[in-house]
Amino acid sequence: AQKITQTQPGMFVQEKEAVTLDCTYDTSDPSYGLFWYKQPSSGEMIFLIYQGSYDQQNATEGRYSLNFQKARKSANLVISASQLGDSAMYFCAMKGGGGADGLTFGKGTHLIIQP
Amino acid sequence: DTGVSQDPRHKITKRGQNVTFRCDPISEHNRLYWYRQTLGQGPEFLTYFQNEAQLEKSRLLSDRFSAERPKGSFSTLEIQRTEQGDSAMYLCASSPRTTGAIYNSPLHFGNGTRLTVT
Repeated sequence: AQKITQTQPGMFVQEKEAVTLDCTYDTSDPSYGLFWYKQPSSGEMIFLIYQGSYDQQNATEGRYSLNFQKARKSANLVISASQLGDSAMYFCAMKGGGGADGLTFGKGTHLIIQP
Repeated sequence: DTGVSQDPRHKITKRGQNVTFRCDPISEHNRLYWYRQTLGQGPEFLTYFQNEAQLEKSRLLSDRFSAERPKGSFSTLEIQRTEQGDSAMYLCASSPRTTGAIYNSPLHFGNGTRLTVT
């Protein structure tokens, strides 16, 4: 079974600072994918970034980067130069290599960017 | 290009009534997923279709829940004899056919249907 753990229920960060959202995972699959989603108060789930278990380099997408440490089974999301619009729930999720069952999500981190 | 569309956005119903939600995936996506999200939690997997075939169902999907995707396009999720515990956001997602590993294909979500059972 797959499991995602997000240990930060909420975070307050000053605008323009960088922020790291923690995610650890557990799986017995040798092949898997790790995803981060953003959910604003309006409710839609917005895909941010993906990291494959065999990827040698950390994924980056604009201001988002993923700090992937495979041995530690962690996949932390880093947001550089935070903006007020970054305030939202952030979910870490994974999909296994044999997985036809979609994504397994963590409980999320509520990020609030303060001016 | 339109994203995943869900209807209705909100549904308020009385306990014991039946409700049906609709999801229209992105047109070229052959995989369709239903999730349920309660307040303060991450989405929980309910069921998954590849084309018109329902390939997997979660233990969360009691016999009061049924999902269909008759022509491999849109999908419906029906809840019979609703209970207050069914109150949640029901999210639909789709993902495209891939020629390689399926684990690297992100899911694209709709805006969800918020169900309130009174």
